[in-house]
Amino acid sequence: AQTVTQSQPEMSVQEAETVTLSCTYDTSESDYYLFWYKQPPSRQMILVIRQEAYKQQNATENRFSVNFQKAAKSFSLKISDSQLGDAAMYFCAYKRYGATNKLIFGTGTLLAVQP
Amino acid sequence: SAVISQKPSRDICQRGTSLTIQCQVDSQVTMMFWYRQQPGQSLTLIATANQGSEATYESGFVIDKFPISRPNLTFSTLTVSNLSPEDSSIYLCSASGTGGADTQYFGPGTRLTVL
Repeated sequence: AQTVTQSQPEMSVQEAETVTLSCTYDTSESDYYLFWYKQPPSRQMILVIRQEAYKQQNATENRFSVNFQKAAKSFSLKISDSQLGDAAMYFCAYKRYGATNKLIFGTGTLLAVQP
Repeated sequence: SAVISQKPSRDICQRGTSLTIQCQVDSQVTMMFWYRQQPGQSLTLIATANQGSEATYESGFVIDKFPISRPNLTFSTLTVSNLSPEDSSIYLCSASGTGGADTQYFGPGTRLTVL
């Protein structure tokens, strides 16, 4: 069975600095997708970034980028120029290719941003 | 991306009663899912809501406790029956389009408190 592990329950970063959140996963599949979702106190789950496993190039979305290491089954999220609005719970998630396949979530990392 | 709304946003219910949560998507989607997020925890999939047929439940979740309807491609309901304090959680609806790579987008969630 696929599993997703986030080993950092909490992280803290100074405003304008850079922080990296870690995620590892376990799968025997070759076609899959990885996601980072953000959940602020409002509890809305917001998609931050998505990575297709077949792509070697790391995904980027503005200040957010990933370091995808397929062989190591590692998928870390880097947040550059951190802002107060980045404070939230961040969940890493895995999805096997196929419309009916479910998202498997990690346990989350609570990110605090210090002014 | 789909815009998803949920009603109610929160509710406080008495033990033994039921709560029905509605999920509305602003466009036709292939897949709809229901998740539970217990306090301080990650998301766990309850079931996949199938249009025109019975929902597909994950291990540990049963139809008698969590009946789900999906009458069309934009709407679904989740009922949490015979409530107990252990059902106090956030319930989230998500949706995705066609294709195995499709991203799931989430509704704002329903916070349920059972007294």
